[in-house]
Amino acid sequence: GESVGLHLPTLSVQEGDNSIINCAYSNSASDYFIWYKQESGKGPQFIIDIRSNMDKRQGQRVTVLLNKTVKHLSLQIAATQPGDSAVYFCAENTGTASKLTFGTGTRLQVTL
Amino acid sequence: GAGVSQSPSNKVTEKGKDVELRCDPISGHTALYWYRQSLGQGLEFLIYFQGNSAPDKSGLPSDRFSAERTGGSVSTLTIQRTQQEDSAVYLCASSLYAAVGAGNTIYFGEGSWLTVV
Repeated sequence: GESVGLHLPTLSVQEGDNSIINCAYSNSASDYFIWYKQESGKGPQFIIDIRSNMDKRQGQRVTVLLNKTVKHLSLQIAATQPGDSAVYFCAENTGTASKLTFGTGTRLQVTL
Repeated sequence: GAGVSQSPSNKVTEKGKDVELRCDPISGHTALYWYRQSLGQGLEFLIYFQGNSAPDKSGLPSDRFSAERTGGSVSTLTIQRTQQEDSAVYLCASSLYAAVGAGNTIYFGEGSWLTVV
């Protein structure tokens, strides 16, 4: 079936560097995408979202890029901080579904 | 309330016992969702409510799982005759309305960690 997946299970970056977390999706009908951050022992926390009619959206220190041609989503975190260490999930939604389909997650480790 | 509230935060139960997990959504949110997260895995959709109705129960793993929502607010997820494979984090979420999209973000609670021994 259709699914959302991630390229890298673990990403290690140095504090201050930029991080890029990637996600591939296979459902061409998906029209809305979200990135969530999940710290150990906590629930997923909304970071940023993007609709399929956009290819870039920026937030505070984060940018989401959407390439519909290759069905690829990425989350860029600028000046990565130790507090950014967590598991990051991308999720997709199609217009008629009232639920999100999640990938398996990428763990971001920030080293000092 | 300020956020999605779930209880208990942790539950250890013996195999074969029934458990109830409670979710109190964000005030004013009409849509409520249950997801399950097994260790090191992504989130698996279980069921969602619009008001007190459950239009999509497709993710419930078996008939041992059921959920209800009363008064358009609090929801209870019940697992009967628990099995070890039911051990997971059960996450509740809510949104203003059911059509997921920009401006209608799904917000999650901290989860109920269930361990079946």
